[in-house]
Amino acid sequence: GAVVSQHPSWVICKSGTSVKIECRSLDFQATTMFWYRQFPKQSLMLMATSNEGSKATYEQGVEKDKFLINHASLTLSTLTVTSAHPEDSSFYICSAGVGLFNQPQHFGDGTRLSIL
Amino acid sequence: AQKITQTQPGMFVQEKEAVTLDCTYDTSDQSYGLFWYKQPSSGEMIFLIYQGSYDEQNATEGRYSLNFQKARKSANLVISASQLGDSAMYFCAMREPLLRSNDYKLSFGAGTTVTVRA
Repeated sequence: GAVVSQHPSWVICKSGTSVKIECRSLDFQATTMFWYRQFPKQSLMLMATSNEGSKATYEQGVEKDKFLINHASLTLSTLTVTSAHPEDSSFYICSAGVGLFNQPQHFGDGTRLSIL
Repeated sequence: AQKITQTQPGMFVQEKEAVTLDCTYDTSDQSYGLFWYKQPSSGEMIFLIYQGSYDEQNATEGRYSLNFQKARKSANLVISASQLGDSAMYFCAMREPLLRSNDYKLSFGAGTTVTVRA
């Protein structure tokens, strides 16, 4: 089946650090990738949609300069949390679409980010 | 705008019994799709079942079935013969089309936490 690898699984870093999270589709080419943020016991909030070679589309209220998304190839999208602060601590999870409306998106295992 | 509503924050179910998780949706589209995902405490999202708006039969996948009532705009998930490993958060989601793409983005409900008791 389709596998999405997300790395790292968890990261703890100091305030002011920039953190990069990778999302790779291992055995398929993802037509679109998505980044979500999730607080404990809450739902997934879509942050942005990204396509290879084009600028990401951010959801309303998401700071583009804070959450930089790069989609370098059909198998790799990265999310960089710039100058992270404690309020950026959260669970970030990516998913990849396969271009078929009746097929599920495939999710990475998520990244737990803790900013001290 | 589309909206997904899950009104049950948490549910307890006895092992081997069935449990129904409610999901209602609101859309003006004629063509739409609904997904259910399971999220264990470890965090990964596991796809369970899909129902398309034009599908004539209710979707089933092993112990999971979907009670799709189009007129009532509901797509409830039924888990039969609950197992301890079913304890997790369950999300109902609806696809929203993306412009100039066959892909879609997902709108998620608030989720329901299911705890299976031995």
